[in-house]
Amino acid sequence: AQKVTQAQTEISVVEKEDVTLDCVYETRDTTYYLFWYKQPPSGELVFLIRRNSFDEQNEISGRYSWNFQKSTSSFNFTITASQVVDSAVYFCALSVLYGGSQGNLIFGKGTKLSVKP
Amino acid sequence: GAGVSQSPRYKVAKRGQDVALRCDPISGHVSLFWYQQALGQGPEFLTYFQNEAQLDKSGLPSDRFFAERPEGSVSTLKIQRTQQEDSAVYLCASSLFGQSDEQYFGPGTRLTVT
Repeated sequence: AQKVTQAQTEISVVEKEDVTLDCVYETRDTTYYLFWYKQPPSGELVFLIRRNSFDEQNEISGRYSWNFQKSTSSFNFTITASQVVDSAVYFCALSVLYGGSQGNLIFGKGTKLSVKP
Repeated sequence: GAGVSQSPRYKVAKRGQDVALRCDPISGHVSLFWYQQALGQGPEFLTYFQNEAQLDKSGLPSDRFFAERPEGSVSTLKIQRTQQEDSAVYLCASSLFGQSDEQYFGPGTRLTVT
């Protein structure tokens, strides 16, 4: 079975601090995809990134960076120099292509990030 | 371009009523997904369409839940004889092909069953 664990329920930081959101996943499949989504107070999930299981290269996009480590089944997300607008719930998700799945996303429970001015 | 839209945004139903939730995916997107998000939880998969074919409905919690996408574009999620435990936000997502393409989500329909 597949599972995504986001152990941090809530994180509160002060603006300009760096913050890392943890994500640990479980799957027996060798081909899978990992995602991060942002859900601001408005409620709409916003896609941030997708990585496939064969590409462990870390990625940086502006203030955002992602660290994918298959050895520890982790896909952590770091926001550098956080801003108030980063306040949201962040979800990590897993998608597998086999075992009857059609690519539906398996979400963690989310981490609520509050960035205070 | 237009994103995924859902209507209504909010729905209050009395227990036992039937409800219908609509999703307009991004034009040209082959795959459409429905998810249910309870308060404080991550979204949970309900069902998946590839064009008009419902290929996976393993996440539907009971036979009171029914979804369709008759022409391969707009989809409707219907819940019959609503129960209080059906109260949640229902999210629709579409992707260009599926198979782990990024999914684009609508704003959701918040259903409250009283």
